[in-house]
Amino acid sequence: AQTVTQSQPEMSVQEAETVTLSCTYDTSESNYYLFWYKQPPSRQMILVIRQEAYKQQNATENRFSVNFQKAAKSFSLKISDSQLGDTAMYFCAPNFGNEKLTFGTGTRLTIIP
Amino acid sequence: IAGITQAPTSQILAAGRRMTLRCTQDMRHNAMYWYRQDLGLGLRLIHYSNTAGTTGKGEVPDGYSVSRANTDDFPLTLASAVPSQTSVYFCASSDSPGSYYEQYFGPGTRLTVT
Repeated sequence: AQTVTQSQPEMSVQEAETVTLSCTYDTSESNYYLFWYKQPPSRQMILVIRQEAYKQQNATENRFSVNFQKAAKSFSLKISDSQLGDTAMYFCAPNFGNEKLTFGTGTRLTIIP
Repeated sequence: IAGITQAPTSQILAAGRRMTLRCTQDMRHNAMYWYRQDLGLGLRLIHYSNTAGTTGKGEVPDGYSVSRANTDDFPLTLASAVPSQTSVYFCASSDSPGSYYEQYFGPGTRLTVT
């Protein structure tokens, strides 16, 4: 079975600090794609960043970057210079190629002014 | 461009009633999906459609049915609602069913079955 684990149900950091959200997964697939989605209080699901499993280089998107360790099956999200608008639920969601995203249970991140 | 629209935004439904959640996308995406979101469980796939005219079962399909008569619409029907179907339902779409493609989500429908 393919599983996704987000071990931090809740986190909080001061504005402008850096925070890292962890995600580990289990799959026997060798080629897949990994996504982080953000869900603010508005409930809208928003793509934050995407990583191709066959690429060794970690993806970056402005203040967001990932630390992808394929052998360890780890896909953490780093948010630098955190802003109040980053307050949201964050979901790790790999797509292992079986027609669906497999979601973790989420991390509720609060940015403190 | 609206992206994906869902209706209704929220609904309270008596157990045993039939309900159809509507989903429409204007991006001409081939693939569409229905997920449910429950506290502590993340999102789980109910049904999907790789292209118009085809559908498939996801992780939690029991009690739900879908149809895909055209590219834009992907309604989800609860034939006889039960309280365990209380959830937030998200429709999503992607350009192609391949794992590379980002899925775009609608705003969700909050359904309460009493």
